[in-house]
Amino acid sequence: QKEVEQNSGPLSVPEGAIASLNCTYSDRGSQSFFWYRQYSGKSPELIMSIYSNGDKEDGRFTAQLNKASQYVSLLIRDSQPSDSATYLCAAVSGNTGKLIFGQGTTLQVKP
Amino acid sequence: DAGVTQSPTHLIKTRGQQVTLRCSPKSGHDTVSWYQQALGQGPQFIFQYYEEEERQRGNFPDRFSGHQFPNYSSELNVNALLLGDSALYLCASSLGTGGYYGYTFGSGTRLTVV
Repeated sequence: QKEVEQNSGPLSVPEGAIASLNCTYSDRGSQSFFWYRQYSGKSPELIMSIYSNGDKEDGRFTAQLNKASQYVSLLIRDSQPSDSATYLCAAVSGNTGKLIFGQGTTLQVKP
Repeated sequence: DAGVTQSPTHLIKTRGQQVTLRCSPKSGHDTVSWYQQALGQGPQFIFQYYEEEERQRGNFPDRFSGHQFPNYSSELNVNALLLGDSALYLCASSLGTGGYYGYTFGSGTRLTVV
């Protein structure tokens, strides 16, 4: 079992729709979770961090965390073509502090 | 506020050669982690440096080694390069080793081994 798992996609949504990206993790000791956006050929860019159960909203982005289910999600409202990228879910290992990434989900927003 | 800077941006090496990649962390950060990202994959953790010592290591052979300097900058060295070492190498800096405040990534070094 991978430490952080994501569906690789691609996830295709029309412009203006809500994109829902999901992630599960195996380390129950993880306390910090992050969503990074990565455009092709570029480095990851932090878009959301979440540390406690529930929702955290920032503009068009909402991160959701459920530690009991070991589940993290990212919602992107009013999706734009510029949101087309790979979204990486990452968790900090509870024991080591290492930042562990999933393989990423490719999002395609079609005009 | 300078972010994480990496050099060089691109590099082409021949199989069997050695390479050194460099990273300067974001101002105020004291911890540097290195990642290897193959095409279509998420970044894989190589190792982490704090207080000039390797604190954590991922599943990478001893051909991968590193160093951290007193000014917190870091180097990643790869010996006896293999074709499979071709990847984007990312440096990430953070405050402390726990990662609670998040990691800031540099723009990466694209290494091609031929």
